[in-house]
Amino acid sequence: AQSVSQHNHHVILSEAASLELGCNYSYGGTVNLFWYVQYPGQHLQLLLKYFSGDPLVKGIKGFEAEFIKSKFSFNLRKPSVQWSDTAEYFCAVNAYGTASKLTFGTGTRLQVTL
Amino acid sequence: DSGVTQTPKHLITATGQRVTLRCSPRSGDLSVYWYQQSLDQGLQFLIQYYNGEERAKGNILERFSAQQFPDLHSELNLSSLELGDSALYFCASSNLGDTQYFGPGTRLTVL
Repeated sequence: AQSVSQHNHHVILSEAASLELGCNYSYGGTVNLFWYVQYPGQHLQLLLKYFSGDPLVKGIKGFEAEFIKSKFSFNLRKPSVQWSDTAEYFCAVNAYGTASKLTFGTGTRLQVTL
Repeated sequence: DSGVTQTPKHLITATGQRVTLRCSPRSGDLSVYWYQQSLDQGLQFLIQYYNGEERAKGNILERFSAQQFPDLHSELNLSSLELGDSALYFCASSNLGDTQYFGPGTRLTVL
């Protein structure tokens, strides 16, 4: 069975600080990897995704993530956060090449202070 | 705007009642997924339909059922509601093997 771990449950950063959110997955096969963001009171929006190819993927709003296969990790990074990045961030995985269900991590709540 | 629509946005009902949540997928998407988001369980997959047929089932209670119609919209039926069913219910859609795009959700409150 698939599982996703997000070890940082709540992160507080000042504006302009760098961000790295951890995501580790467990799955006995090739995977698709996703980061979704949920702004307060809103729905899930796709930040970025990895299906294959270059393990460093760039998404919207200056976010990027690196897939490290040997570590089963897909960490999310941003060099300089803004107050508007305050949101909950979810890592998710499904089986590669399928339209199968997403398995989500528990989410990381990011709070950016001015 | 993801292109996935859900109605209603909010639903308040009493225990024991039955409600229907509706989802319209993005144009051209054949797969529809239902997820439940609650504080204690997080985001959990409920059920998936593909082109009218049930494709996968997750942690969906027997009191819950869903269907996908010929025009590809989907409905999630929740019956004999309990307090613990209060949650956000999201619908997502995708093409085969592609990214899932989420709708705005329906917030269900059971009193």
